[in-house]
Amino acid sequence: SAVISQKPSRDICQRGTSLTIQCQVDSQVTMMFWYRQQPGQSLTLIATANQGSEATYESGFVIDKFPISRPNLTFSTLTVSNMSPEDSSIYLCSVDQSGGGEKLFFGSGTQLSVL
Amino acid sequence: DQQVKQNSPSLSVQEGRISILNCDYTNSMFDYFLWYKKYPAEGPTFLISISSIKDKNEDGRFTVFLNKSAKHLSLHIVPSQPGDSAVYFCAADVWGSGGSNYKLTFGKGTLLTVNP
Repeated sequence: SAVISQKPSRDICQRGTSLTIQCQVDSQVTMMFWYRQQPGQSLTLIATANQGSEATYESGFVIDKFPISRPNLTFSTLTVSNMSPEDSSIYLCSVDQSGGGEKLFFGSGTQLSVL
Repeated sequence: DQQVKQNSPSLSVQEGRISILNCDYTNSMFDYFLWYKKYPAEGPTFLISISSIKDKNEDGRFTVFLNKSAKHLSLHIVPSQPGDSAVYFCAADVWGSGGSNYKLTFGKGTLLTVNP
């Protein structure tokens, strides 16, 4: 199974600022994903991070708000831009190693609070 | 519109007894279902899955049952142990003929507490 390191584990940020979350995997993976879990809600897919090309965003999420980088097969970043209190969530990086999407491995998450 | 629903936010059981966690879905295109377990300050970890061609899948103390006509699945943990205390997420996927589309739809989770 993949070992995923996600940083920071938590942060408290001011409104209008941006935060970049890093995700490092101990092996090369094709598919990397970014999820968000708002308080009391389910995990929601933000985007799929593609190596060598732009990320693919889900409905309701845009690149200007959540820019993603994927410079290689083991690393990705998600930036939460121009934050507001509604962005307070847990952000999770995940990878698919099975090749079939049948199970994901998740990082430990970033608990973000926006004041 | 929530396509995967876990209507019980929490469940408390005694050690040694059975834990039953329920999940309902509305999208008839879902054909692969998964359960994930999440401890505090950790990411979810895969627990067990079931394909729509089956109605039961068992792995040790964990069994998942699928009732396609009712669009309902359940996770049974027997016997329950204090270490099973965690949030359990139900998730659904559309495989179809082309394999997974890599877009899992999750429920909100159920917090299971197993009391010693």
